[in-house]
Amino acid sequence: NAGVTQTPKFQVLKTGQSMTLQCAQDMNHEYMSWYRQDPGMGLRLIHYSVGAGITDQGEVPNGYNVSRSTTEDFPLRLLSAAPSQTSVYFCASRSPGALGTDTQYFGPGTRLTVL
Amino acid sequence: AQSVAQPEDQVNVAEGNPLTVKCTYSVSGNPYLFWYVQYPNRGLQFLLKYITGDNLVKGSYGFEAEFNKSQTSFHLKKPSALVSDSALYFCAVRDPYSGAGSYQLTFGKGTKLSVIP
Repeated sequence: NAGVTQTPKFQVLKTGQSMTLQCAQDMNHEYMSWYRQDPGMGLRLIHYSVGAGITDQGEVPNGYNVSRSTTEDFPLRLLSAAPSQTSVYFCASRSPGALGTDTQYFGPGTRLTVL
Repeated sequence: AQSVAQPEDQVNVAEGNPLTVKCTYSVSGNPYLFWYVQYPNRGLQFLLKYITGDNLVKGSYGFEAEFNKSQTSFHLKKPSALVSDSALYFCAVRDPYSGAGSYQLTFGKGTKLSVIP
């Protein structure tokens, strides 16, 4: 198992550009999510999905779109990049177990800089 | 709403000494609690979790954590710190009975642990 993979590892954008951060998992997990990590802020949830075709907003969804057409993939789209979106982005997946004994697995992250 | 507080931005400890990284939480129901570790330029790695049962939970790399319901705390501990334990540690909580939010993990802001040789 590769676990949770993310591409690219690094990206530099200009203000106003759009791009898609890719996330894939091979563990057949139903639940996937996107977080951003900023210094002193911890991890904040952007969007999440509880299964193919089902997505919902997290704590900081503005400026981002997601879709979930397959169990494996959960791309995050930046519609019009802004300097405030400079951050490290993490994708995670989880399979709900009995009594919620699930563990969330994280990808290696994408470091995004918006100029 | 659920929340997590990690009151210390940084903890310094000498190698071989015991370490504690503090975490307190707030949920409306019974919490599911987690600790994750992040090494530089890496993703988060799962350390341990409390779901139910024994209040003392043992995890990876010799770490353990104690769930204290009356103090709403879930402090991470290790009897003897190693230099290789130096990393960023995150506490997280999930309230499985919070309806639409029950799927979501809420993270603390993280505590940087530095183990001094």
